[in-house]
Amino acid sequence: DTAVSQTPKYLVTQMGNDKSIKCEQNLGHDTMYWYKQDSKKFLKIMFSYNNKELIINETVPNRFSPKSPDKAHLNLHINSLELGDSAVYFCASSRITGGPWGNTIYFGEGSWLTVV
Amino acid sequence: GQQLNQSPQSMFIQEGEDVSMNCTSSSIFNTWLWYKQDPGEGPVLLIALYKAGELTSNGRLTAQFGITRKDSFLNISASIPSDVGIYFCAGHGSSNTGKLIFGQGTTLQVKP
Repeated sequence: DTAVSQTPKYLVTQMGNDKSIKCEQNLGHDTMYWYKQDSKKFLKIMFSYNNKELIINETVPNRFSPKSPDKAHLNLHINSLELGDSAVYFCASSRITGGPWGNTIYFGEGSWLTVV
Repeated sequence: GQQLNQSPQSMFIQEGEDVSMNCTSSSIFNTWLWYKQDPGEGPVLLIALYKAGELTSNGRLTAQFGITRKDSFLNISASIPSDVGIYFCAGHGSSNTGKLIFGQGTTLQVKP
């Protein structure tokens, strides 16, 4: 069973389009994240939600809007896609409720977004 | 903000050799995690460290949480071809917001 699953895995779209990436976790975690990996493989956090509430919002363009309908799902919607948005987007989850394993983060397999 | 410096950036070794990579920070981290990313996949957790001085093994992998809480290393013994991939160190700073900061990654290639 996939712990953190995200769809689609590959997405090729034209500039100016709007697209969404969906994420679901079945680990019972209360915190979910979106990370972006650029062409140099650098991983950077974009957003974090704890129990459906936004707790981390890094400097990300307003065109990116996360939505968490419940604590097992965190979707990412991107408006007016630009060439520079091409990257791999990783969903992740963790338990942030404390304890020695509270902050271990588990990643999905990634969504490869190519904007042409 | 907090940053992690990971080295080396890449390594090309012979099968059977031992490998060592490390991560340093200018500020204190509360946890250190080591991940491996295979091509086309997401990062997979290898080892998690939660206490200064902690030394933890996972098969041929050994990692340590530095005493100063500003560094960590990962050793791989007797490397095999499937060890190929990108290894990332990551850590949580003192703010405990869950924000995980990543190093730049070490790309490992193993020659059979």
